[in-house]
Amino acid sequence: GENVEQHPSTLSVQEGDSAVIKCTYSDSASNYFPWYKQELGKGPQLIIDIRSNVGEKKDQRIAVTLNKTAKHFSLHITETQPEDSAVYFCAATGGGGGADGLTFGKGTHLIIQP
Amino acid sequence: DSGVTQTPKHLITATGQRVTLRCSPRSGDLSVYWYQQSLDQGLQFLIHYYNGEERAKGNILERFSAQQFPDLHSELNLSSLELGDSALYFCASSVVPSGGSYEQYFGPGTRLTVT
Repeated sequence: GENVEQHPSTLSVQEGDSAVIKCTYSDSASNYFPWYKQELGKGPQLIIDIRSNVGEKKDQRIAVTLNKTAKHFSLHITETQPEDSAVYFCAATGGGGGADGLTFGKGTHLIIQP
Repeated sequence: DSGVTQTPKHLITATGQRVTLRCSPRSGDLSVYWYQQSLDQGLQFLIHYYNGEERAKGNILERFSAQQFPDLHSELNLSSLELGDSALYFCASSVVPSGGSYEQYFGPGTRLTVT
């Protein structure tokens, strides 16, 4: 089955700086890679996703890149703000013709220092 | 607000008991996925239902079962509960018309505590 590794587990950055979270996946059949933000006491919130036929996708301050050959994908947050503080999860899926659920990384606790 | 609703928000029960968690997907979504989130295991996929039929199983224990009803709401049944079943249980819904991977939107979760 799919295995997703996520690094770092904790990331502390100054407000206004950029943050980068990296993930690797094992199953070459995976073709969909979403990122979720989870705040305390809430469910994961989809913030951006990328499919295997695209190398990069951007949405305002958030961008995701995918390297299919190396099986790496990364989340980039620029001009970080206090409300960006949360736990971020990467995920992968694509097996079973899309029926399989998401395989998640262990999460990154992002701390924005004022 | 994702549009996915889950009840109850909190559930406290004793070992050996059985509970039912309920999920209503977003309007128009035919797929419901169930996930378990715990400190040691992280977020794990349990089971996927599409339009009333089971589509895929993940790390779901034999003591756990699910179903999706004609109105598309889903229930996750957990029986013979053990202390280790204490966790957050999320459902997510997705359009998934006939295959392929689509965005999954998560509900607020049910926190289960087994004492």
